[in-house]
Amino acid sequence: DTGVSQDPRHKITKRGQNVTFRCDPISEHNRLYWYRQTLGQGPEFLTYFQNEAQLEKSRLLSDRFSAERPKGSFSTLEIQRTEQGDSAMYLCASSGLEGQSNEQFFGPGTRLTVL
Amino acid sequence: GQQLNQSPQSMFIQEGEDVSMNCTSSSIFNTWLWYKQDPGEGPVLLIALYKAGELTSNGRLTAQFGITRKDSFLNISASIPSDVGIYFCAGQLYTAGNQFYFGTGTSLTVIP
Repeated sequence: DTGVSQDPRHKITKRGQNVTFRCDPISEHNRLYWYRQTLGQGPEFLTYFQNEAQLEKSRLLSDRFSAERPKGSFSTLEIQRTEQGDSAMYLCASSGLEGQSNEQFFGPGTRLTVL
Repeated sequence: GQQLNQSPQSMFIQEGEDVSMNCTSSSIFNTWLWYKQDPGEGPVLLIALYKAGELTSNGRLTAQFGITRKDSFLNISASIPSDVGIYFCAGQLYTAGNQFYFGTGTSLTVIP
């Protein structure tokens, strides 16, 4: 396992459609984070899991957004009824190694374009 | 959310020059992370800082955790063309859980 992976890398969808993204963290990591990044900005925190428990959610995470990590390994982020304002890069990060627990390692991201 | 002010917003420098950038906030942080991001890719972790006053190096990169715990600095010495990218600071509030707040980034261009 060489790092965090995300799938797909790019997604183009029409407004109103549902989309789902997947994140596979570094295998030894128990913490998993989702961020959203728009052009010219830094990543914005969306939600955080420790193992399978979703412990924190940002106010940015509207009711149309849901994230899961059912077995404490990979995670999915679903956006229902997409809007043009949802167009962004969605980043996943993981952390949790002993002695390096706060160091978050990012995946390559999923670029979402809503037409 | 928390505001991390990162400066400068952009830098254009000659190859071989040293670079300094910083990140400031009105809040106290207990962890600072510095990342570099290339276009279309996720951020790559450069340096992690955990204690006020801590000075940590990673090759030509040096970062410091400010004494007030409200700021952090990143220096790059003898810049090379592959240093081009956007540099982000990220801070974890001492009052919060595991949420990190990111700065708006410093765009670095190195002119050969």
